[in-house]
Amino acid sequence: DSGVTQTPKHLITATGQRVTLRCSPRSGDLSVYWYQQSLDQGLQFLIQYYNGEERAKGNILERFSAQQFPDLHSELNLSSLELGDSALYFCASSVGPGTGTASSPLHFGNGTRLTVT
Amino acid sequence: GNSVTQMEGPVTLSEEAFLTINCTYTATGYPSLFWYVQYPGEGLQLLLKATKADDKGSNKGFEATYRKETTSFHLEKGSVQVSDSAVYFCALLDSGSARQLTFGSGTQLTVLP
Repeated sequence: DSGVTQTPKHLITATGQRVTLRCSPRSGDLSVYWYQQSLDQGLQFLIQYYNGEERAKGNILERFSAQQFPDLHSELNLSSLELGDSALYFCASSVGPGTGTASSPLHFGNGTRLTVT
Repeated sequence: GNSVTQMEGPVTLSEEAFLTINCTYTATGYPSLFWYVQYPGEGLQLLLKATKADDKGSNKGFEATYRKETTSFHLEKGSVQVSDSAVYFCALLDSGSARQLTFGSGTQLTVLP
């Protein structure tokens, strides 16, 4: 168990809708990262927050947004959903602001599987 | 930009067979290199890492050596078990200001008893 909790595990929704994915980081971790895993694109970094502030941005669409709250949990909002947004969305956390370093490794949640019909 | 190329899967082996999963990378500077493993229904877990050239990362019988001259970080295990069945991801962390992990496409390994 990585200590990172993601809810819900599965989400099925229709095109054009909006959903919110939730992540609670491991206790003591200040950074939260969001990744999208799809069959055609592989594992893509979306965005990182550190202690409530946006730290880095990857291949995140304008229809997507995220935030990290004072209790350090994070939410990823996906709107105007398209069929191509169907994917596994992973949250990861780490202690510090850096990514995957020896002193601040990434811990991944089990993901939220989003299906857009 | 940075990129990681892994051998295409799926890979199917018999128990106790030797495993190699190839990984090559393109990066500026001196990246750190990682192997992550994803068991069915779970998130990725760090398997091993190497932070500089000629370093060998090892864990649970798996090994990988950071080869700067060939820009490679191949994963090996001498004798695989059924419980090693998973998807394996090679990744790099660049040394520049971006400092985000770049993942390969993943290689599905199935070990048959």
